[in-house]
Amino acid sequence: ELKVEQNPLFLSMQEGKNYTIYCNYSTTSDRLYWYRQDPGKSLESLFVLLSNGAVKQEGRLMASLDTKARLSTLHITAAVHDLSATYFCAVARGGGGADGLTFGKGTHLIIQP
Amino acid sequence: SQTIHQWPATLVQPVGSPLSLECTVEGTSNPNLYWYRQAAGRGLQLLFYSVGIGQISSEVPQNLSASRPQDRQFILSSKKLLLSDSSFYLCAWSFGGGSGYTFGSGTRLTVV
Repeated sequence: ELKVEQNPLFLSMQEGKNYTIYCNYSTTSDRLYWYRQDPGKSLESLFVLLSNGAVKQEGRLMASLDTKARLSTLHITAAVHDLSATYFCAVARGGGGADGLTFGKGTHLIIQP
Repeated sequence: SQTIHQWPATLVQPVGSPLSLECTVEGTSNPNLYWYRQAAGRGLQLLFYSVGIGQISSEVPQNLSASRPQDRQFILSSKKLLLSDSSFYLCAWSFGGGSGYTFGSGTRLTVV
């Protein structure tokens, strides 16, 4: 059974600081997804990582994937208040990609001025 | 461009009443469709997925069911709601493989 673990689950940080969210998964997969969720809202896609060593960046967020270590990271650079949200990583189940995603429990991020 | 619609946005239903949540995708054909549930402050749990009309795979035994009567329509149903069915329900679509998964806006269900 595929298991996805995120840490930390809760993070309070100050604006301007850097931090990393970690996502470990238990079985082989080369497709990993990061989503953002604002309170009471649906999920917004941030990154799709499809191969070992993949790195993607958008603004102050950068995601990477190491399939050998079964680890993905979401790095936040010089955090700003607008990045406060819950961040989920998710791993594709199965080989064909039709089986859906297994999600981590989410990292609740609060960025304080 | 592809869009996904979910309704209603919020729903309050009494225990024992039936449920029908609808999800439709526009601008594409033969998508893979998914129903997820998110309890308050928790992660997402996959409930059902479908790779074609009439094809439903169930992930979690419960009093919910799903149907796909048309290519781009996915329905989540229950004959009798339980208090524990209160949750945020999200529909999603994907083409599988390396494509992304796009989520609808969700339905917040409260069973009273």
